[in-house]
Amino acid sequence: KNEVEQSPQNLTAQEGEFITINCSYSVGISALHWLQQHPGGGIVSLFMLSSGKKKHGRLIATINIQEKHSSLHITASHPRDSAVYICAVSGQGAQKLVFGQGTRLTINP
Amino acid sequence: NAGVTQTPKFQVLKTGQSMTLQCAQDMNHNSMYWYRQDPGMGLRLIYYSASEGTTDKGEVPNGYNVSRLNKREFSLRLESAAPSQTSVYFCASRRTQTGNTIYFGEGSWLTVV
Repeated sequence: KNEVEQSPQNLTAQEGEFITINCSYSVGISALHWLQQHPGGGIVSLFMLSSGKKKHGRLIATINIQEKHSSLHITASHPRDSAVYICAVSGQGAQKLVFGQGTRLTINP
Repeated sequence: NAGVTQTPKFQVLKTGQSMTLQCAQDMNHNSMYWYRQDPGMGLRLIYYSASEGTTDKGEVPNGYNVSRLNKREFSLRLESAAPSQTSVYFCASRRTQTGNTIYFGEGSWLTVV
């Protein structure tokens, strides 16, 4: 079992739909990161959080430390949101990040 | 502010050739990383450097060497390229080892034939 599991692996939705991507992890962490990668493109950090909830525009990230679970929500989804979304965790005191496999999101017009 | 810059963006190598991927960051970050990304495998850590003058192996270090030349630069060398090293390589950096946002370069697409 991977230390970081994302679901779903693939998600296709219509423009305007509310999107949820989930991330579960099995280790103690100091922080959780949500990253975005567009096709053929680089990787951009969307959020880093260690508790509660963060919001940036139409994106919301939440984390439940007790349940070792985080969600990334996209409201009013748009075709430009089509990308791979990657969850990664920083272990407590650890130098390295552990990455999930990514969720490929496609938003159709 | 360029962030993390890596070169080259694309490279084709013949088996057995050597090459160096260059990475530089202008954010005064202490920690730097080299990852490879393969279809279905996610990002895997090759080597990292927690601070200038130190380097450590990650998950998949075989066939690679690194140099932390100074605080800004962290290079990845393939001494004798193999087809299994065909991948997309990402350099990344962050201010300290934990609890900070990580910044990635744009990636280097390497094909070994």
